[in-house]
Amino acid sequence: KQEVTQIPAALSVPEGENLVLNCSFTDSAIYNLQWFRQDPGKGLTSLLLIQSSQREQTSGRLNASLDKSSGRSTLYIAASQPGDSATYLCAVLRTGLQFGAGTQVVVTP
Amino acid sequence: DTAVSQTPKYLVTQMGNDKSIKCEQNLGHDTMYWYKQDSKKFLKIMFSYNNKELIINETVPNRFSPKSPDKAHLNLHINSLELGDSAVYFCASSSQTEKLFFGSGTQLSVL
Repeated sequence: KQEVTQIPAALSVPEGENLVLNCSFTDSAIYNLQWFRQDPGKGLTSLLLIQSSQREQTSGRLNASLDKSSGRSTLYIAASQPGDSATYLCAVLRTGLQFGAGTQVVVTP
Repeated sequence: DTAVSQTPKYLVTQMGNDKSIKCEQNLGHDTMYWYKQDSKKFLKIMFSYNNKELIINETVPNRFSPKSPDKAHLNLHINSLELGDSAVYFCASSSQTEKLFFGSGTQLSVL
């Protein structure tokens, strides 16, 4: 059974620092991996999607890598801003999307 | 226009009642999902429909019954509500193995 783990569970950084969020999964037979952002009391917003054949995806200050063989993905957020404060979730798609528990990020001004 | 909309946003009800949550997507996607987010914020898939057919049914009590009248709608009906059903329920849709788009969630509180 697929298990998705995110480390750390919480992270607090001063504004301007780069963020590194880790995601690991136990079954490498995935179709894709997605990173989401969730703001308190709100729904989820898809940030990046990496197909199983891809190694990374970039969007603005965000970059996500995927290493299927080792079952890992990393989300990098460059030059963090207070508006980046949210919970970040990774999810892998096989039969339905399996989520990690998320990393709660606080960026202090 | 909202891509995935679900109603109501908040639902407060007594134990034992029956309630429904509606979901609609205007993205033309073939697949729709229901997820439950518990108090620890962990998201777990409940159901998935593809072209109105059930393709995923996780170990969810049979008090929960999804209904898909057409590709654009996936409603969730819950019978005999229990305290443990209190959670946030998210509807989502996708096209095959592409990005999932989520609704804003329905916060269900069972008293």
